[in-house]
Amino acid sequence: EIVLTQSPGTLSLSPGERATLSCRASQSVTFNFLAWYQQKPGQAPKVLIYGASSRATGIPDRFSGSGSGTDFTLTISRLEPEDFAVYYCQQYGSSPRTFGQGTKVEIK
Amino acid sequence: QVQLQESGPGLVKPSQTLSLTCTVSGGSIRSGGYYWTWIRQHPGKGLEWIGYIYDSGSTSYNPSLKSRVTISIDTSKNQFSLDLSSLTAADTAVYYCAREPLLWGQGTLVTVSS
Repeated sequence: EIVLTQSPGTLSLSPGERATLSCRASQSVTFNFLAWYQQKPGQAPKVLIYGASSRATGIPDRFSGSGSGTDFTLTISRLEPEDFAVYYCQQYGSSPRTFGQGTKVEIK
Repeated sequence: QVQLQESGPGLVKPSQTLSLTCTVSGGSIRSGGYYWTWIRQHPGKGLEWIGYIYDSGSTSYNPSLKSRVTISIDTSKNQFSLDLSSLTAADTAVYYCAREPLLWGQGTLVTVSS
């Protein structure tokens, strides 16, 4: 089973700042099948990035994903008020699929 | 566009079996190459992958739940389902269905309580 470790646990930033979220895998993610999700309270997760770097339909270009193998990054270039939420990574290249524990991006 | 909607009981008693259904609308569940997936989220916690059924009918389950989980597909109804047996309070969660990795349902809260 691939263990995904997200860091930091909480990121305190101001609107307009850049956010960098990390997701590290315990072994290489097959085909770089890694997704990033955003979740706000009371809502279902929303996919932002799939295949490590492809933006899902309708996702603003301030969100970008990068990385390969075992190290992946989600970058939000300039935080908007609506971006403060919890972010999860998930690998879907091998079974069992696994999620990271989440990074909370909060307003500083 | 394709949408997913979970349905099932909101309250189930301990030791019983939970049965949830995910209805696919706006497209056929038989369109190829998708992993039809169940995920859950305990209150205030992270996401837990339960398992999937692939178009061919092959399945894969979370090892921690494998002995209690069955995922099936009904192409005639454009639905797939989750059965989770021997419920305890620890199974209280929001259950999501998804077409991996891009499309999720809104989720349904299931409470296990007598």
